[in-house]
Amino acid sequence: DAKTTQPPSMDCAEGRAANLPCNHSTISGNEYVYWYRQIHSQGPQYIIHGLKNNETNEMASLIITEDRKSSTLILPHATLRDTAVYYCIVKAGGSEKLVFGKGTKLTVNP
Amino acid sequence: EAGVAQSPRYKIIEKRQSVAFWCNPISGHATLYWYQQILGQGPKLLIQFQNNGVVDDSQLPKDRFSAERLKGVDSTLKIQPAKLEDSAVYLCASSLFRVRDTQYFGPGTRLTVL
Repeated sequence: DAKTTQPPSMDCAEGRAANLPCNHSTISGNEYVYWYRQIHSQGPQYIIHGLKNNETNEMASLIITEDRKSSTLILPHATLRDTAVYYCIVKAGGSEKLVFGKGTKLTVNP
Repeated sequence: EAGVAQSPRYKIIEKRQSVAFWCNPISGHATLYWYQQILGQGPKLLIQFQNNGVVDDSQLPKDRFSAERLKGVDSTLKIQPAKLEDSAVYLCASSLFRVRDTQYFGPGTRLTVL
């Protein structure tokens, strides 16, 4: 079973920041937080991952709370092409298995 | 860099027929995964290969599903015989390192069983 809780859907206006929350209250010390997204009719795409520090790359920023029980994926300037299902996944460093939940369907509106 | 290739993209069969899907991972990626994604759900891991050996096939319905990765490169997933509930998208993914590395997914094969 997935170890995370995400809202089923969210809306965002084009050009605004999209903040996608994820709750992982049972996360263990050796588990990372991964984010993937799946655009319609495509395979999932890796976005970012982190352990306890905030992370940023060219796609997004990942903010992890100090107690690591929740995190937020931030798309700073959402575009229509960011409309997708976003999956938050907790995965141990020594395990390769990605366990996907149902994710959050983000709709970016013009 | 070429991505993960899968074929066919779409397949329609009748129940009790057989079907096979093919995957070519990113060059040099030792780990290969097959996932099943039923409509409205997230992908579910069916089987994982490290080179040509099986690492995890705990979720693979072995009475009807089989997979192989000869020579540690391409892989084939077969269903024989298919059931209605096998209708899904079958995704292949690969990764370079076994631990903590990101997985790269192909476009998937959409299977419809009538």
